[in-house]
Amino acid sequence: EPEVTQTPSHQVTQMGQEVILRCVPISNHLYFYWYRQILGQKVEFLVSFYNNEISEKSEIFDDQFSVERPDGSNFTLKIRSTKLEDSAMYFCASSRGKGGYEQYFGPGTRLTVT
Amino acid sequence: AQSVTQPDIHITVSEGASLELRCNYSYGATPYLFWYVQSPGQGLQLLLKYFSGDTLVQGIKGFEAEFKRSQSSFNLRKPSVHWSDAAEYFCAVGGNFNKFYFGSGTKLNVKP
Repeated sequence: EPEVTQTPSHQVTQMGQEVILRCVPISNHLYFYWYRQILGQKVEFLVSFYNNEISEKSEIFDDQFSVERPDGSNFTLKIRSTKLEDSAMYFCASSRGKGGYEQYFGPGTRLTVT
Repeated sequence: AQSVTQPDIHITVSEGASLELRCNYSYGATPYLFWYVQSPGQGLQLLLKYFSGDTLVQGIKGFEAEFKRSQSSFNLRKPSVHWSDAAEYFCAVGGNFNKFYFGSGTKLNVKP
């Protein structure tokens, strides 16, 4: 069964550094998402991406964040200058459509900012 | 505004006992509702979903959920819990928008 993959599984970085989290969505899906889960808290929506552009973003997704689909398979989340509060599990998801279509989640990347 | 409430943070049940996890949502139109399960260190796995039609939906691993519009609820049930069901369960709502809203999750502990 196709699945969403994410790399790395764990990333440790120093405050102020740039990080890129990578995702390979399911190949025939059209919508891509990033969510994050701070330890002990709920899963929060960051951004959705469709047709090579952001379709929606949350308040969390400020100028420090960017997303890109550099080729036909990868979907990346870049945090330009990490802060301690960016420490979280970041999930990538993809779906065939929006609204009622289920989103398939990757295993997550645990980002630790020191 | 859309939101999801899972009132129970932790639940402990004995193996073989029945289970019900509560989920209430707030959404102005007909929602699309989902239950996901997260095992430690793992991603989110879809258990079941409700789009329309029959309000009792069946999912994987013997789980089912019932949509009750009058109560704005979508509770997850299982008649007999197995030790492998110990995990965290998340309810989510989608709609005519491009993201899911998740509840805070319910951690299920299964006693032998």
